Amino acid sequence: DTGVSQNPRHKITKRGQNVTFRCDPISEHNRLYWYRQTLGQGPEFLTYFQNEAQLEKSRLLSDRFSAERPKGSFSTLEIQRTEQGDSAMYLCASRQQSGTLTGELFFGEGSRLTVL
Amino acid sequence: GEDVEQSLFLSVREGDSSVINCTYTDSSSTYLYWYKQEPGAGLQLLTYIFSNMDMKQDQRLTVLLNKKDKHLSLRIADTQTVDSAIYFCAETILNSSASKIIFGSGTRLSIRP
Repeated sequence: DTGVSQNPRHKITKRGQNVTFRCDPISEHNRLYWYRQTLGQGPEFLTYFQNEAQLEKSRLLSDRFSAERPKGSFSTLEIQRTEQGDSAMYLCASRQQSGTLTGELFFGEGSRLTVL
Repeated sequence: GEDVEQSLFLSVREGDSSVINCTYTDSSSTYLYWYKQEPGAGLQLLTYIFSNMDMKQDQRLTVLLNKKDKHLSLRIADTQTVDSAIYFCAETILNSSASKIIFGSGTRLSIRP
């Protein structure tokens, strides 16, 4: 397993277009997280999945954002009608959680979105 | 509330110790983390500490936790140029869904020759 994989690594789009990012977590990990990181800031939590169930969404995630993890493996994050303020690095992370035991959170290298 | 605060910058001389400080707000946090981010790279877990511990040492890294003051620190002994990076403090937030991690804004560590 090569770790958490994200693609595309960089997406440049015009305002108003839709974009979709994909995350392939570490295969045995049941939890998958999406974060957003802007320049000079730490990662901000967006949403997370336990297997295929989306358990929590941040209020940062407007109606234009949707995330899915249909089979409990890879996940997609779609942004509709992009705005310049959506420009950021979108980070995916995964971990294994069994009962109260929490494994290390592994991050992908991120998908950078630039909205012109 | 959910908030993690760190100073933005730290500059140390090569060979000296670096101490990066962090305060957090959630008293129910079970895990506290230090992540490292090098330019153009992803986040790398450096170390973590359970909330029932006061100190953890791992080679050049020492983590100190003061639960009463909700204060976490990372000490890097014999700081080298390879340690230049942004260091993020993070805490686990337990709520009904459990286990999301909240990050600080990061401390940029620069090394002077």
